[in-house]
Amino acid sequence: DGGITQSPKYLFRKEGQNVTLSCEQNLNHDAMYWYRQDPGQGLRLIYYSQIVNDFQKGDIAEGYSVSREKKESFPLTVTSAQKNPTAFYLCASSTTVPHGYTFGSGTRLTVV
Amino acid sequence: KQEVTQIPAALSVPEGENLVLNCSFTDSAIYNLQWFRQDPGKGLTSLLLIQSSQREQTSGRLNASLDKSSGRSTLYIAASQPGDSATYLCAVSSAGTASKLTFGTGTRLQVTL
Repeated sequence: DGGITQSPKYLFRKEGQNVTLSCEQNLNHDAMYWYRQDPGQGLRLIYYSQIVNDFQKGDIAEGYSVSREKKESFPLTVTSAQKNPTAFYLCASSTTVPHGYTFGSGTRLTVV
Repeated sequence: KQEVTQIPAALSVPEGENLVLNCSFTDSAIYNLQWFRQDPGKGLTSLLLIQSSQREQTSGRLNASLDKSSGRSTLYIAASQPGDSATYLCAVSSAGTASKLTFGTGTRLQVTL
């Protein structure tokens, strides 16, 4: 079945560490997205990519980095510059002219 | 800047009731509107997608309407069941930035026996 796979499901980061969240899709979607979800807030866009080797900052890109070397993959790195990284991270994909979005099951990141 | 508001924030109803969830958005120049369901600790599941040219979409017991001129959408759930308990999120894709979704904060629904 086609879908989006996020890994790991849970991730713990020590202060000062960079960590990378994985997102893979087999839907043949051109566009991919990373959102952050905090309690009591709506999802906020971190980065998005509409085509391989190109990506744009979303509303809260500071402290994060991404790459899009393959159509199927859009990993997110949470750097030590992100001061409050504890959150639930969701990856999504869509066709370029969006006819609907498909979301992964999320990664919960906790700073220890 | 597009803003999306969902009312109420939480709702508890007995099983079998019909209910309406509300979503409003500030900029009527939207590309589409999508309703999602989120179970605790899980990702989002798409329920209904309404393109800007459409007025409503139906899937089983769910019906979503869109009034673009007034900046409103409603999600109607008929004959609610305990399995409908979840958080329901509304998101709009704005014209000009069609790739980006703006989300509301959701309505947390509990259907009791």
